[in-house]
Amino acid sequence: AQKITQTQPGMFVQEKEAVTLDCTYDTSDPSYGLFWYKQPSSGEMIFLIYQGSYDQQNATEGRYSLNFQKARKSANLVISASQLGDSAMYFCAMRESQGAQKLVFGQGTRLTINP
Amino acid sequence: DTAVSQTPKYLVTQMGNDKSIKCEQNLGHDTMYWYKQDSKKFLKIMFSYNNKELIINETVPNRFSPKSPDKAHLNLHINSLELGDSAVYFCASSQDRPGPQYFGPGTRLTVL
Repeated sequence: AQKITQTQPGMFVQEKEAVTLDCTYDTSDPSYGLFWYKQPSSGEMIFLIYQGSYDQQNATEGRYSLNFQKARKSANLVISASQLGDSAMYFCAMRESQGAQKLVFGQGTRLTINP
Repeated sequence: DTAVSQTPKYLVTQMGNDKSIKCEQNLGHDTMYWYKQDSKKFLKIMFSYNNKELIINETVPNRFSPKSPDKAHLNLHINSLELGDSAVYFCASSQDRPGPQYFGPGTRLTVL
């Protein structure tokens, strides 16, 4: 069964610092995708970044990068040069290639950027 | 251009009523989903449709019935609403794997 774990319920970071949000996963499927979503206080779910299990390089999207360590089954999100607008809930999610294409989400991390 | 849209954004209703939430996507995706986010922010899949066919039904009470008139629309009808149905309901869509799912803005349902 799929499982996603985010162990940091909340994080506080100074503006302009880098921040790492932790995510570990568990799956027996050799082919899977890992995703990060941002949910600001307005409530929408915003897709940030995707990493495929067979991708050789870590995914990057602007200030977001995904630190993918396959052997450790971790997929941490790194946000560089944090901004006040980065304050939000962040969700890690996984989708296996076999079976249904549902996303399984972690519990989320609430990130607060302090000025 | 709204990619995935849901109506209404807010829904307040009495226990026992029947209500519907509509979802439309203009991304040309083949698969659409309904997720429920509870008061603790936990997100869980409810249903998924691929080209109008149900492919996921995740142990949801049969008071919840999804309907997909075409692959761009997936509506959620809820009968006999209960207090525990209060949550935010998200519609999402995706192309066939791999790749992300794109979410609608959510519908906050409050059952009084």
